Amino acid sequence: DQQVKQNSPSLSVQEGRISILNCDYTNSMFDYFLWYKKYPAEGPTFLISISSIKDKNEDGRFTVFLNKSAKHLSLHIVPSQPGDSAVYFCAARKGLTGGGNKLTFGTGTQLKVEL
Amino acid sequence: KAGVTQTPRYLIKTRGQQVTLSCSPISGHRSVSWYQQTPGQGLQFLFEYFSETQRNKGNFPGRFSGRQFSNSRSEMNVSTLELGDSALYLCASSLDENTEAFFGQGTRLTVV
Repeated sequence: DQQVKQNSPSLSVQEGRISILNCDYTNSMFDYFLWYKKYPAEGPTFLISISSIKDKNEDGRFTVFLNKSAKHLSLHIVPSQPGDSAVYFCAARKGLTGGGNKLTFGTGTQLKVEL
Repeated sequence: KAGVTQTPRYLIKTRGQQVTLSCSPISGHRSVSWYQQTPGQGLQFLFEYFSETQRNKGNFPGRFSGRQFSNSRSEMNVSTLELGDSALYLCASSLDENTEAFFGQGTRLTVV
């Protein structure tokens, strides 16, 4: 039962353009969402998060949008840089409802930023 | 500020053996979680410890266990290793349940 889904296994974008990574979830108890970037054989690096009480959060080149009614979130990277090439994971948590820090991860999207 | 430290980075074990992995969280963080990453199953939650108590547990067999010490350092143990236990084991620490989790570099376990 995949509660967090990233339906695009890969995405290719030109340098300087916008990268949009998508994530869908099925469990309405999730109330906190995070995006991580990961290189092979390394731990995930935290990028940005959003609480269910917001619909947008911005941090530099990264913006996360949350659409609760559609159970959908997206990560926008503008402008995209070659160093952004990595696997991006969406994760969800039921923290505010007593879920602790158990993160449920999506399957990841491989982003490739080309020159 | 030092990040999450996991030791060892690489480990090779034989089927049937047991293994203990260690995780030192970011200073001041009280929550430590463990995850397993495999090509087939992705990133899966193993368990979470908060103030020395197991707060959450994932769907893994009893061969997987863990503990947390009073200084928040955590260990996970896998007994009677199977080939399928070969994976990247990741530890993450958080200040509390309402803040972001920061991951260590992981321990690559290979079971032969």
